[in-house]
Amino acid sequence: KAGVTQTPRYLIKTRGQQVTLSCSPISGHRSVSWYQQTPGQGLQFLFEYFSETQRNKGNFPGRFSGRQFSNSRSEMNVSTLELGDSALYLCASTSVLASPTDTQYFGPGTRLTVL
Amino acid sequence: GENVEQHPSTLSVQEGDSAVIKCTYSDSASNYFPWYKQELGKRPQLIIDIRSNVGEKKDQRIAVTLNKTAKHFSLHITETQPEDSAVYFCAANQGGKLIFGQGTELSVKP
Repeated sequence: KAGVTQTPRYLIKTRGQQVTLSCSPISGHRSVSWYQQTPGQGLQFLFEYFSETQRNKGNFPGRFSGRQFSNSRSEMNVSTLELGDSALYLCASTSVLASPTDTQYFGPGTRLTVL
Repeated sequence: GENVEQHPSTLSVQEGDSAVIKCTYSDSASNYFPWYKQELGKRPQLIIDIRSNVGEKKDQRIAVTLNKTAKHFSLHITETQPEDSAVYFCAANQGGKLIFGQGTELSVKP
């Protein structure tokens, strides 16, 4: 099976702009989680989508949002970008049952730089 | 609150030595504890995981132990090799999400 894919791999934006990142899970996986990775804060959970519904949410401001489509592909959006949003954004997909003890498989990430 | 603490933040060992990384978690309801390895510029890759119904799991040179009473779990790598050099993350499931430790940068010197 093909792994988790993310597009684009690199993005450069300026403060105040908005950005949309895309994640395609492993075929058959129904849950997609998003994480922000920075050198200072490590890997922080943003949100999780399952069957087109947000099932869990982390402690990020409302500028961070997401959605999931019927084919399980997911997008996340960040509006009004700030310098501190510069990070590697990772998505991970979980197996068909998507239980809390299932393995999460990560995509390669999107490197976002905000100038 | 939701918290996973990981120690040490950096670890340097000689090739062939063992490496141990320790994590503690706060939510007694956590029942899934994966370990990920992330090489520079690459995605995190699962190397081993343990569920709360067992106390230890081993896969070749890698082992994980879990102490649910003390709420801590550890990664053990034996006979380390230079290709083991990477950042290692522990995680615990809490409230339906994976909470990660801050990472340990392991350096294996030949």
